[in-house]
Amino acid sequence: AQSVSQHNHHVILSEAASLELGCNYSYGGTVNLFWYVQYPGQHLQLLLKYFSGDPLVKGIKGFEAEFIKSKFSFNLRKPSVQWSDTAEYFCAVKGGSQGNLIFGKGTKLSVKP
Amino acid sequence: DTEVTQTPKHLVMGMTNKKSLKCEQHMGHRAMYWYKQKAKKPPELMFVYSYEKLSINESVPSRFSPECPNSSLLNLHLHALQPEDSALYLCASSQVLGAPLHFGNGTRLTVT
Repeated sequence: AQSVSQHNHHVILSEAASLELGCNYSYGGTVNLFWYVQYPGQHLQLLLKYFSGDPLVKGIKGFEAEFIKSKFSFNLRKPSVQWSDTAEYFCAVKGGSQGNLIFGKGTKLSVKP
Repeated sequence: DTEVTQTPKHLVMGMTNKKSLKCEQHMGHRAMYWYKQKAKKPPELMFVYSYEKLSINESVPSRFSPECPNSSLLNLHLHALQPEDSALYLCASSQVLGAPLHFGNGTRLTVT
């Protein structure tokens, strides 16, 4: 069975700091990988996705993620965070053509102005 | 704003009530989903419809009954719920199964 681990429960950064949120998954086959963001009081929005090809994926709002197959990881990065990036970030994995989308437990990011 | 519309935004119901949650999308998506999200937890998949047919039922109690009357609408009928069913119920859609999901704002349900 596939699973997703997000090791950081709550990350607190100052504006302009660099961000890296960890995501590891367990699934032996082909995977589709996603990062979703949920701003306070708002719906889940897709930040970026990886299906195949270039393992470095660029998303919206300056976010990027790198798929490292050997490490089963798909970490989210941003070189310089802003206060408006304060939100909950969910990594999600879909394994195989019939797989369900499984979410990690989420990482709360708080950016101090 | 999201392109997936959920109504109502908030719902308070007693344990003997019958109510329905509604979800609508006009993006031509053929897969629709119900997720349940408790506070400080990730969304948990409940049901998946693909081309208006129930594709996945994640062992959800029968007091939750999904319905997909057409390709744009998805309902979740609620009956005899328990207080622990209080949560944010999220609807999502995707072009087809496995494509990226578009989420609605959710219905915050409180069972008293």
